[in-house]
Amino acid sequence: QVQLMQSAADVKKPGASVQVSCEASGYIFTSYTLSWVRQAPGQGLEWMGWIAPFNGNTKYAQKFQDRVTMTTDTSTSTVYMELRNLRSDDTAVYYCAREGLTSILFDYWGQGTLVTVSS
Amino acid sequence: YVLTQPPSVSVAPGQTARITCGENNIGSKTVHWYQQKPGQAPVLVVFDVRDRPSGIPERFSGSNSGNTATLTISRVEAGDEADYYCQVWDTSSGDRVFGGGTKLTVL
Repeated sequence: QVQLMQSAADVKKPGASVQVSCEASGYIFTSYTLSWVRQAPGQGLEWMGWIAPFNGNTKYAQKFQDRVTMTTDTSTSTVYMELRNLRSDDTAVYYCAREGLTSILFDYWGQGTLVTVSS
Repeated sequence: YVLTQPPSVSVAPGQTARITCGENNIGSKTVHWYQQKPGQAPVLVVFDVRDRPSGIPERFSGSNSGNTATLTISRVEAGDEADYYCQVWDTSSGDRVFGGGTKLTVL
């Protein structure tokens, strides 16, 4: 079955960087785009960007363009999301989510990774 | 690109809940809906406007016309209490866009 397993929760200080990983299993890794979506406490879902494991192509939401990098390691079926220059309002649960093949939707989600930014 | 959802909807058990998602000419777009219960990741409940993934009850249905897309939950149960989000693909920017979310309360 399809599974997306994310890295454990993390605590960072303002100005630092965080990297969250998402290991995929149960399907052909390079056949599907993966997106990152975050959710601040008590808030809604916010799309950050996607990466295509097949060729490493990425597209980031304009809001995160200058601070985020998404990468992939096909040897381990893992995608990574690095967010730099963290601020307190980056405190959120970060999800990876697989996109559909024929529609731009999210059919499987990771369990989420809580990133807390605090001095 | 902004998708507008009501912050909350309340309904009694057994009744029908309707959750809207508004945007100019959203009827021309393909809309998807997610259910999120507290402490859990979202789950796709309706895709391509009106289709359901396997395992989602027939009580969940969708429609889309004009400036409003609607998720309809028939014969609401206590277990349907959750936050619901609509989502589209903005073809002009390539961005994936979520609505602000609607909290469904079962009275």
